[in-house]
Amino acid sequence: QITLKESGPTLVKPPQTLTLTCTFSGFSLSISGMGVGWIRQPPGKALEWLALIFWDNDKRYSPSLKSRLTITKDTSKNQVVLSMTNMDPVDTATYYCAHSDLTRTLGAFDYWGQGTLVTVSS
Amino acid sequence: DIQMTQSPSSLSASVGDRVTITCRASQSISTYLNWYQQKPGKAPNLLIYATSSLQSGVPSRFSGSGSGTDFTLTISSLEPDDFATYYCQQSYSTPRTFGQGTKVEIK
Repeated sequence: QITLKESGPTLVKPPQTLTLTCTFSGFSLSISGMGVGWIRQPPGKALEWLALIFWDNDKRYSPSLKSRLTITKDTSKNQVVLSMTNMDPVDTATYYCAHSDLTRTLGAFDYWGQGTLVTVSS
Repeated sequence: DIQMTQSPSSLSASVGDRVTITCRASQSISTYLNWYQQKPGKAPNLLIYATSSLQSGVPSRFSGSGSGTDFTLTISSLEPDDFATYYCQQSYSTPRTFGQGTKVEIK
């Protein structure tokens, strides 16, 4: 079965760079149609889509955060890494990674990690 | 960017009620509309993808309909386990925008 798990720091000081790793199993990111996305959720607020990387290394970013985000994949390690520069307290949120399949679910996020809470504070 | 607007933002309902949540896209998204359920402290859970396809393991009391810009999630008979927040999301294009959520509370 498909599983994903986020890892990274729980506390970041402004204006440090946040680096989060999504380690997954049960699928290969080299297979056509596969993707892994990052979504965040500030405490008590709605979900916000951040970035998405596809099997062919196509990368898509939230326009409002594009200048601060980098998403990469390591297919051999089954990992996707998200970096976000210039962290601010407003970036405090639970960060999720999720699996996407363009062929089966037309791009819905059908499997999610448990999420990791990142607090930005000096 | 495609904006997704859900209504209502919250609702109170009783066990056994029929509940309907709507989602409107700022432009046509064909049938690329997904619905998620989220409970406090948990990751979202995919309920319905491509407007009306039920994700494996999701009870049949959940259904979805619509096309173009207007979509609906219906819970035919509310169960105690259904009190949660529901989000719509479009996968027609990037950015993959979410609605602001609808919180379903116990009346």
